Amino acid sequence: IAGITQAPTSQILAAGRRMTLRCTQDMRHNAMYWYRQDLGLGLRLIHYSNTAGTTGKGEVPDGYSVSRANTDDFPLTLASAVPSQTSVYFCASSLDGSYNEQFFGPGTRLTVL
Amino acid sequence: GDSVTQMEGPVTLSEEAFLTINCTYTATGYPSLFWYVQYPGEGLQLLLKATKADDKGSNKGFEATYRKETTSFHLEKGSVQVSDSAVYFCALRANDYKLSFGAGTTVTVRA
Repeated sequence: IAGITQAPTSQILAAGRRMTLRCTQDMRHNAMYWYRQDLGLGLRLIHYSNTAGTTGKGEVPDGYSVSRANTDDFPLTLASAVPSQTSVYFCASSLDGSYNEQFFGPGTRLTVL
Repeated sequence: GDSVTQMEGPVTLSEEAFLTINCTYTATGYPSLFWYVQYPGEGLQLLLKATKADDKGSNKGFEATYRKETTSFHLEKGSVQVSDSAVYFCALRANDYKLSFGAGTTVTVRA
């Protein structure tokens, strides 16, 4: 089934630990995005990539890094997790950076203690 | 910067009631406007969109009209069902092509 997969589904992490959230899409979309969802704040863009090999900073990039080695994968890394990074993380993709519709993955619920 | 403001929830309705969720925006240029829906335990799905002034987006009985004069994109449905219980997000996409989301409105429909 075509779409976006994210892993893990949920994770509890000790503060200071490193964590990578995985995101894979099989739609051959050029653009990919990472958002965090927090109650009362909606979704906020962390990082994005308009095409393989390029990345850009979104609204709340601090404490996060991304890479885009190929079209399908867009991992998000927390180098040293802090409790304020407790959130639900959504990966999304679109045909290209200007195409209107973004397709979302099921999300990863991350708790940092 | 670009931003979206939508009515705060939660909203609780009875089946067959009329639903309105207000959304207003601030943006430079001519943004595209969207409503996304998030059902419990799932990611966001595009519900409808409008790309220019006076366009009406519609899907699954929901409608929203892009009103440039009032910078609004209110979501409406004439007769809601229990299956419409979800969180609804208004969003805009302006010149930099990135989506800006509102805070979300939780809607609960009771049988």
